[in-house]
Amino acid sequence: QSVLTQPPSVSGTPGQRVTISCSGSSSNIGRNYVFWYQQVPGTAPKVLIYNKNQRPSGVPDRFSASASGNSATLAISGLRSEDEAHYYCASWDDSLSGSWVFGGGTRLAVL
Amino acid sequence: EVQLLESGGGLVQPGGSLRLSCVASGFTFSNYAMIWVRQAPGQGLEWVSAISASGSSTYYGDSVTGRFTISRDNSNNTLYLQMNSLRAEDTALYYCAKDQTPYCAGADYWGQGTLVTVSS
Repeated sequence: QSVLTQPPSVSGTPGQRVTISCSGSSSNIGRNYVFWYQQVPGTAPKVLIYNKNQRPSGVPDRFSASASGNSATLAISGLRSEDEAHYYCASWDDSLSGSWVFGGGTRLAVL
Repeated sequence: EVQLLESGGGLVQPGGSLRLSCVASGFTFSNYAMIWVRQAPGQGLEWVSAISASGSSTYYGDSVTGRFTISRDNSNNTLYLQMNSLRAEDTALYYCAKDQTPYCAGADYWGQGTLVTVSS
């Protein structure tokens, strides 16, 4: 059971906009940075979003994120076939001695 | 260009030990916290351990506390993970990742991983 909750899967057609939710608590998303990672099967995770809504250079502006309260959302607009991958949210958790927590991952299918 | 190169994985029997290494380049290693994350076959990402930039603060996931030890050598730009009392459930691809801060906040770069298989 992951500390952060994501839907197991989402899908969309090319050109559509999809969103992936990530629900946490006041000890993680509610007070710390939120990261979003994309993992294409067989490859290492790649950061899409850091500090809740910042995009590294090279990541298309089709990817955006927001956070409110104890939840965060990743939005992908203008969906492309190459966006088919697993997406993970993550955040530092201040409870107990501290830990970095992940969501269980969301598989995005581009139909 | 940030590069993280893990090594040290392999096949080990239950109860055995392994030491993973991660050699970093392309950034000032001593300025950033570092993280180990693992991924069991077909599963999601699981945080294993983290260490602050200076090495003075270390953190462990519940499943590895007391068995794994994270350390770093800032003079040689190398991160380590000493893994003892290995179990079948430790079988995974282990990723080294660079934090974006000197303390532990989250990873902005990942290595390609090294595979650890625990089996008799």
